[in-house]
Amino acid sequence: GNSVTQMEGPVTLSEEAFLTINCTYTATGYPSLFWYVQYPGEGLQLLLKATKADDKGSNKGFEATYRKETTSFHLEKGSVQVSDSAVYFCALISTDSWGKLQFGAGTQVVVTP
Amino acid sequence: DAGVIQSPRHEVTEMGQEVTLRCKPISGHNSLFWYRQTMMRGLELLIYFNNNVPIDDSGMPEDRFSAKMPNASFSTLKIQPSEPRDSAVYFCASSMGQGEGGELFFGEGSRLTVL
Repeated sequence: GNSVTQMEGPVTLSEEAFLTINCTYTATGYPSLFWYVQYPGEGLQLLLKATKADDKGSNKGFEATYRKETTSFHLEKGSVQVSDSAVYFCALISTDSWGKLQFGAGTQVVVTP
Repeated sequence: DAGVIQSPRHEVTEMGQEVTLRCKPISGHNSLFWYRQTMMRGLELLIYFNNNVPIDDSGMPEDRFSAKMPNASFSTLKIQPSEPRDSAVYFCASSMGQGEGGELFFGEGSRLTVL
């Protein structure tokens, strides 16, 4: 079956620090990969996505590259802000999952001034 | 444009009571998903509909849970009778097509507390 594994949080870092959140996956078929973000008290929202190997998704200074050889989709940001404090979810849809997003457990990120 | 609208935002009830959560998807979206989020289990897909038809309800925990989508602009998730272990945040999400593009639009959630 499909699964997503992401690093446990919380990840605590100072403003302007470099952020990496690791995400690896197992999937049948050819998955598309996603990062969703959940700000406090809100629902999830799509941050970025990549639909095939070697694609790079990017948004709001965040980037992630679809690495088929390592089955990974790590999220990075070069200089975080306090407003990036949130929970980040890695997710996938595979060609045989019929629209069902498979989410990872989520990683809480806390950015301090 | 309005996003996905859920109500109530917060519900506190006593064990054994019936709970009904409501969702209005984004106009024009034809897939609707109900998720439950807890600290212990993370995000769980309960059920999803396409064109108002339930496609997969394998995530519905037990017969106490039921969901309906009588038309394209409204869905309900009902728990009867409720139990303390049902305490969670319930999210509704909608998407275009069958969600194969992966972009789901989430509501702000309904936080349920069962005492």
